[in-house]
Amino acid sequence: KQEVTQIPAALSVPEGENLVLNCSFTDSAIYNLQWFRQDPGKGLTSLLLIQSSQREQTSGRLNASLDKSSGRSTLYIAASQPGDSATYLCAVSPFPGSYQLTFGKGTKLSVIP
Amino acid sequence: DADVTQTPRNRITKTGKRIMLECSQTKGHDRMYWYRQDPGLGLRLIYYSFDVKDINKGEISDGYSVSRQAQAKFSLSLESAIPNQTALYFCATSDWGGGRALNEQFFGPGTRLTVL
Repeated sequence: KQEVTQIPAALSVPEGENLVLNCSFTDSAIYNLQWFRQDPGKGLTSLLLIQSSQREQTSGRLNASLDKSSGRSTLYIAASQPGDSATYLCAVSPFPGSYQLTFGKGTKLSVIP
Repeated sequence: DADVTQTPRNRITKTGKRIMLECSQTKGHDRMYWYRQDPGLGLRLIYYSFDVKDINKGEISDGYSVSRQAQAKFSLSLESAIPNQTALYFCATSDWGGGRALNEQFFGPGTRLTVL
């Protein structure tokens, strides 16, 4: 059974710092990996989706990398801002057309002004 | 306007009551999902639907039922609510058509349900 882990559970950084969020998964046979952002009491916003054949995806100040063989993904946030404060979740999908998304429990990020 | 909407956004109810949570989408996606989120447990899949006539149980379907009224509408019912169904409930959609199989899911804003 696929398990997804995100460590640390919470992270606090000063504004302007570059940071990395980690996601690891136990079964490397994945189709893709999705990073989400969740603001308190709100829904999940899809940030980046990275296919298993890709190494990186970028959107603005965000860069997601994937090392499928080692079961790891990182989300890099450049020049962090207080507005980046949220919980970040990763989720993996096993094969094309699958309904399954296995989620990590998230990393709660606080960016201190 | 949001692509995936959920109503109500907040609901407080009492044990034993029947309630319905509704989800609508304008993304034109065939697939729809219901999840619940609990602190420390993450998101868990309750039901999913590939189209109007194809509905399937997820990881934690006991105590819940669903109805897919149209491609754009998917509702979740708690027939007799109990306190451990207190959670944040999310609807999601994904695309499947024309050979695309990205599996990318798009989420609604959530319904916070409290069962007293």
